[in-house]
Amino acid sequence: GQNIDQPTEMTATEGAIVQINCTYQTSGFNGLFWYQQHAGEAPTFLSYNVLDGLEEKGRFSSFLSRSKGYSYLLLKELQMKDSASYLCAVMDSNYQLIWGAGTKLIIKP
Amino acid sequence: GAVVSQHPSWVICKSGTSVKIECRSLDFQATTMFWYRQFPKQSLMLMATSNEGSKATYEQGVEKDKFLINHASLTLSTLTVTSAHPEDSSFYICSARDLSGPNHQGVGETQYFGPGTRLLVL
Repeated sequence: GQNIDQPTEMTATEGAIVQINCTYQTSGFNGLFWYQQHAGEAPTFLSYNVLDGLEEKGRFSSFLSRSKGYSYLLLKELQMKDSASYLCAVMDSNYQLIWGAGTKLIIKP
Repeated sequence: GAVVSQHPSWVICKSGTSVKIECRSLDFQATTMFWYRQFPKQSLMLMATSNEGSKATYEQGVEKDKFLINHASLTLSTLTVTSAHPEDSSFYICSARDLSGPNHQGVGETQYFGPGTRLLVL
């Protein structure tokens, strides 16, 4: 079966750095996505990785290791507005997105 | 980035009525759109894949006669919840695939989400 695992909840301090991990087992791989979802809102696109390595985009970076079925989202200089759920999703061989359950990130002052 | 609109954003209706939700890609053409449902504190659940000019593909367990999907043009897909019941109350989100999206790593696609429609059936 297809499976995406990520922690349910994480807590971090404003100004700090946090890493949200995602492991996956899917039938085929056509890229991994990270989305941010604030409570009551639709997800917004953060990053896309299809090759191994680190992609940096401002305060957010995303890493992928295809051989390990592993990705992480790194958030630096945390701000209160970063409090949200972060969804990991993998596009399988049929170009369908397989979603993780999301990681709720709580930022404390 | 690509913009997807969804209308209405809120619907409150009586049990037994039908509700239509529209999803539009505003600045790109979307041959494929996706409809999701999300219950509180749960992840997105794909309901169906909507293909322009052809029948939608429904996920297992989703009743196609209850959730009617029409993708009549490259920029519009509609989801109609027929004879809605309280258990259909949920957050419905559409997304559209932008094949021209950010793709510097190679072949890939990005889905952009509409703002969602919150449905409450009384």
